[in-house]
Parts: sequence; C-alpha cells; structure tokens
Amino acid sequence: DAMVIQNPRYQVTQFGKPVTLSCSQTLNHNVMYWYQQKSSQAPKLLFHYYDKDFNNEADTPDNFQSRRPNTSFCFLDIRSPGLGDAAMYLCATDLSDRARNEQFFGPGTRLTVL
Amino acid sequence: AQSVAQPEDQVNVAEGNPLTVKCTYSVSGNPYLFWYVQYPNRGLQFLLKYITGDNLVKGSYGFEAEFNKSQTSFHLKKPSALVSDSALYFCAVRDPGGANNLFFGTGTRLTVIP
Repeated sequence: DAMVIQNPRYQVTQFGKPVTLSCSQTLNHNVMYWYQQKSSQAPKLLFHYYDKDFNNEADTPDNFQSRRPNTSFCFLDIRSPGLGDAAMYLCATDLSDRARNEQFFGPGTRLTVL
Repeated sequence: AQSVAQPEDQVNVAEGNPLTVKCTYSVSGNPYLFWYVQYPNRGLQFLLKYITGDNLVKGSYGFEAEFNKSQTSFHLKKPSALVSDSALYFCAVRDPGGANNLFFGTGTRLTVIP
C-alpha cells in the first residue's frame, strides 16, 4: 500500500544533542511537509518542500532544518534540541500544491528531550 | 487571514447517539475545508473535505459534514456513535486564493461512552 513512513516512531535525545528524524513516502507526491504537534494541540507547520523548493515558515526556529535528497525522502534535523522541542513530529505529503488536495500524514515521531 | 475555530475542547456522547463536532472558519474567499481524526500516538487520518458542490459531504467511517456558508460552519456529524470513534478531531481550512498552507483548529476530543 502506498503510504507515508516515519522513523523512528519514538526518539529520545539529550539536551543539545543533534537529532534527525526521517520520513519516506511511496505516494510519489511532489510536496512534503513537516509539522510539530505538542500535547494534543493543533499541528504547527514548520516547513515544506515543493519538489526541491524549500519553504520555511516565518516563525520556525533556526534550530530546525530540513533536507530532501530525492522525491521519496525528507529529513528533519534539530541541531540543538531544547526541552521545549519535545513534541510529536508529523510528516505529510501532497500530490501538488493545489489547495483542494488533502494531505497524507505519517504516524509521527515522538521526540523526548532529556 | 484564514483561521478555524473549534469551540469545544471536549465532546462526550453515548454510544449509539448522534454526534456533532463543531467547526467555524474565517477565510477571505471560498474555503476548502477538511476534517482529520487522530488516534493516540498516531498521525492524522483524512476523513472528508468540502471543495465545491453539495453542501453535505460524506466521508470515511460513516462521518459526514455540512458546509454552511451563511454561518461559516463545517460541523462534523455521525448518526450513531461508536466507542471506536473516540479520538481527537481536527478541522482545517485552506484558502484557494491565498497561501496554500493548511490551517488547523485546536482540536476536539471526542469520547464515546459505552
């Protein structure tokens, strides 16, 4: 089945220790998104790629970066995690940037910062 | 600016009774509206969307939603609730004439009581 996969499902890191979260998709979608979701709050968009074009949200901290080496994979790098970065990180994909499309979400990675 | 409001943080309903989860929106043009459901420690699953056409939209798992332009609402409904419907529900909006981002409401936790 076509899907969005996130690895790992649970990630524990130490304060200040860099961490990378992974997302892959078999949907062949052009757009990939990264959201941060804290304790049952609404998902907050961090950035997205349309193909190789990177779009950063204005209020996304510099501590968060992303890479998309090819259509299938997208990575979220947190350079120096703080306690406030503990959250669920959701990857989503979209066929294109047409507003009428729904996004497809992965299961999420829950990040714990010690 | 576009926004979504979910006025109820929590909705409780008895199994077998009809359920309604409320959503109102604010957008400059004609909105594209979405409902997603999130089960514990999982990503968001798409339920249904309104783009154009019939105001009553049918989606997955027996859910439906009614678009009401005059009341700027898009309430989620189901005629007979199941215990397995207990989850966190998010309404989201996209403005086809503006930025393509998906704006989420704050979520409503639905509990179906056996």
